[in-house]
Amino acid sequence: NAGVTQTPKFQVLKTGQSMTLQCAQDMNHNSMYWYRQDPGMGLRLIYYSASEGTTDKGEVPNGYNVSRLNKREFSLRLESAAPSQTSVYFCASRRLAGGAIDTQYFGPGTRLTVL
Amino acid sequence: GENVEQHPSTLSVQEGDSAVIKCTYSDSASNYFPWYKQELGKRPQLIIDIRSNVGEKKDQRIAVTLNKTAKHFSLHITETQPEDSAVYFCAARYSGGGADGLTFGKGTHLIIQP
Repeated sequence: NAGVTQTPKFQVLKTGQSMTLQCAQDMNHNSMYWYRQDPGMGLRLIYYSASEGTTDKGEVPNGYNVSRLNKREFSLRLESAAPSQTSVYFCASRRLAGGAIDTQYFGPGTRLTVL
Repeated sequence: GENVEQHPSTLSVQEGDSAVIKCTYSDSASNYFPWYKQELGKRPQLIIDIRSNVGEKKDQRIAVTLNKTAKHFSLHITETQPEDSAVYFCAARYSGGGADGLTFGKGTHLIIQP
């Protein structure tokens, strides 16, 4: 049981390049989330998905798109990367029914640098 | 939307002493309040949480208190140890059945002095 996994772990992009961050969970969770973490700012919600086929904006969605490919996978895409998107990106998931419905589990993170 | 304020940003205590971190939230509809610990280069890990129908919760050396009237909740760590050194985040969310994400405070860097 790997929990929440993310790829890649590290990435360096040039301004204007695009890339997709991948996230997968094997806990049969319903909801999945993308956060970014910047020094001194805590974690901020970018997008979330309550279930397969649905996505909603969080606090800081501009410059990002997401896809909930299936129940396991939730990807984050940067179409035209900007230096302001340099950050550590965390994916998270939680169940919406059954036990411990509040607990949110985080992946190991992706450290992205945009030059 | 929800806004969570966290204080202090840095806290240094002697090993064996207690540490207290405080948070306030703005949305009276929020009813779930977790605390996460994050070590350098690692993912946030849940250490304790509380729902709004409970005023206090304890797990060994860690406790959380909640004052709904004042919209204030605190993390208490007793008998601090070197491995308690980390960044701690509070968070809040309305847990009414939807999938909304957490709103986090900006974190407290806890330093345990030997």
